Order: sequence, then structure tokens, then C-alpha cells
Amino acid sequence: DTAVSQTPKYLVTQMGNDKSIKCEQNLGHDTMYWYKQDSKKFLKIMFSYNNKELIINETVPNRFSPKSPDKAHLNLHINSLELGDSAVYFCASSPTGTGGRGYTFGSGTRLTVV
Amino acid sequence: LAKTTQPISMDSYEGQEVNITCSHNNIATNDYITWYQQFPSQGPRFIIQGYKTKVTNEVASLFIPADRKSSTLSLPRVSLSDTAVYYCLVGDPDSWGKFQFGAGTQVVVTP
Repeated sequence: DTAVSQTPKYLVTQMGNDKSIKCEQNLGHDTMYWYKQDSKKFLKIMFSYNNKELIINETVPNRFSPKSPDKAHLNLHINSLELGDSAVYFCASSPTGTGGRGYTFGSGTRLTVV
Repeated sequence: LAKTTQPISMDSYEGQEVNITCSHNNIATNDYITWYQQFPSQGPRFIIQGYKTKVTNEVASLFIPADRKSSTLSLPRVSLSDTAVYYCLVGDPDSWGKFQFGAGTQVVVTP
């Protein structure tokens, strides 16, 4: 199936731990994103990458480090997890220049920090 | 980023038309208006996008007045499967995903 796939779907971890979320798209898109959705359902852009290059880092704490080994993958590593990091994290991809029209989102990773 | 304001929730019966209005008073010249739909435990899914006047596709219509300070998503003859959260986004197509997602509108369709 063509899609944006994220793993894991659920992640429960203790404060202070380090965790990673993986994202892969097989749509041939050259731009990928990470969004954070908080408990009030607000979706906020965290990072965007175009052809493996960081384009946007939206004032995210440097505990969050994205890595794009190739344009089909954008992983998110989080160091020293805090309670406030609990949220649903969505990966998305799009062809360049589609301006919000062509975003395909993954099904999300629900991160719970205890 | 243009801030958007939508109703928190709307209820409807099957077969009715649902109209969701989004306010975006500080929309910029280069900004487009895009609507997404989100079901529980899924990522948002693109519905429709427009710049001005009216846009229609197989699932919805988007009405944008001349001043572009608001827009209305129209869902014709809704069914139970249209129960979802609907987001209005306003942003520049070249902004690399830097769209402002609001809190969305929870639409509940009942029989």
C-alpha cells in the first residue's frame, strides 16, 4: 500500500528516557514533516525536510532531533523525555510546492510520558 | 501565520447539509485556504483547497467571499461516516508546512 507509515503507534515511557519514532513514505514525495497534536487537538508543525535538508525548525527544544537518511524517511529522536512531551506525533509528506493540498499524514504515534 | 477561528462543534442528522465557517481575518495575499478531515486515531486527510470564490469537488464545496476573511466548507447530505473533526488551514503554499491548524470543528452526524 502506498502510504506514510509511522512506528510505533503507541509509546509509553518514563521521564528522562530517550525514544525514537520512525517514519517512512513510499509516495515518492520529496518533502516530509513532523507535527505535534496536543490534548486540545491543536496540530503544530515541528520540522519540515526537503530532499533530506532541514527547512523548518519551528522553535522545538533541541531535545528533539529529526534525522532524514533519505527523502523517504524522516525519523524523530527525543532525548530526556518530559511529561509535556506527551502528545500524538504525526509524520506527513507532500510533493514540493503543493501548498497544503497534497499532504499525506501517517496515522500518528501516541507518546505518553509517565 | 494567519490565525483561524472555527466553531468547536456542530451536530447534524444524516442527509442534511453541514456548513462550517472559518474566520481568518489576517489572511495574507499569498495564503490559500485548505480544509482537512480527521477521524479518531488517524492523521488528517485533505478535503479541499481554494483561494477565492467557490471550489467544488466530489466530497465538498468551499465558499470564499471577496474579502477572503472567512470561508465556509459545505458538506452535502452528510452520512454517519462524516463524523470527524474538520480543520481549516490558512497558509502560503510555499511555506513548507508552516500552516496554522486551529482546534478544529467536531461534527457529529446522527441517524
